[in-house]
Amino acid sequence: NAGVTQTPKFQVLKTGQSMTLQCAQDMNHNSMYWYRQDPGMGLRLIYYSASEGTTDKGEVPNGYNVSRLNKREFSLRLESAAPSQTSVYFCASSVYDTNYGYTFGSGTRLTVV
Amino acid sequence: KQEVTQIPAALSVPEGENLVLNCSFTDSAIYNLQWFRQDPGKGLTSLLLIQSSQREQTSGRLNASLDKSSGRSTLYIAASQPGDSATYLCAVPHILTGGGNKLTFGTGTQLKVEL
Repeated sequence: NAGVTQTPKFQVLKTGQSMTLQCAQDMNHNSMYWYRQDPGMGLRLIYYSASEGTTDKGEVPNGYNVSRLNKREFSLRLESAAPSQTSVYFCASSVYDTNYGYTFGSGTRLTVV
Repeated sequence: KQEVTQIPAALSVPEGENLVLNCSFTDSAIYNLQWFRQDPGKGLTSLLLIQSSQREQTSGRLNASLDKSSGRSTLYIAASQPGDSATYLCAVPHILTGGGNKLTFGTGTQLKVEL
């Protein structure tokens, strides 16, 4: 099925460990995003890539890095995980303009102990 | 700064009822408004996207309306079913520097439809 695929679905990390969350979309969307969802905080934008070859910080970028590998793939890296990064992470994509809305992946539930 | 609010925060109804979820936004200069559904522990599923030039958008038992001037949208669910139980989120886009758009989400309405 067409859409946004995220891996892994679940992950437990120890403080200080690193990991990369993978995201791929097959809808030929230009723009891709990483959000985190926390209770009482809603969804917050971490990083985005408006088009292939560009990346920019969102609201809460500290502690994260991203790579837009190609038009399909956009990864999120935690270099040194902290308990404050325990969250549910969502990747999303959209066409460049606003007319067509967003498509979200199913999420990665990350726990940092 | 755009702020999006949803009322009520939680709603419990018996099966078969028609219901209305409300979404309000502070900045009426929006391009569109998107309604999502989120099941517990799952991702966000897009339900309806209503453009700023539209007044209504329908999909099956769902109908979304938009009144830009008053900063409000409603999601009407007809003949509710237990399978409709989920959290419903509305969101509006904000154009980002360099392109793409960021969604500002509402606070959500947690719906429970009981047998």
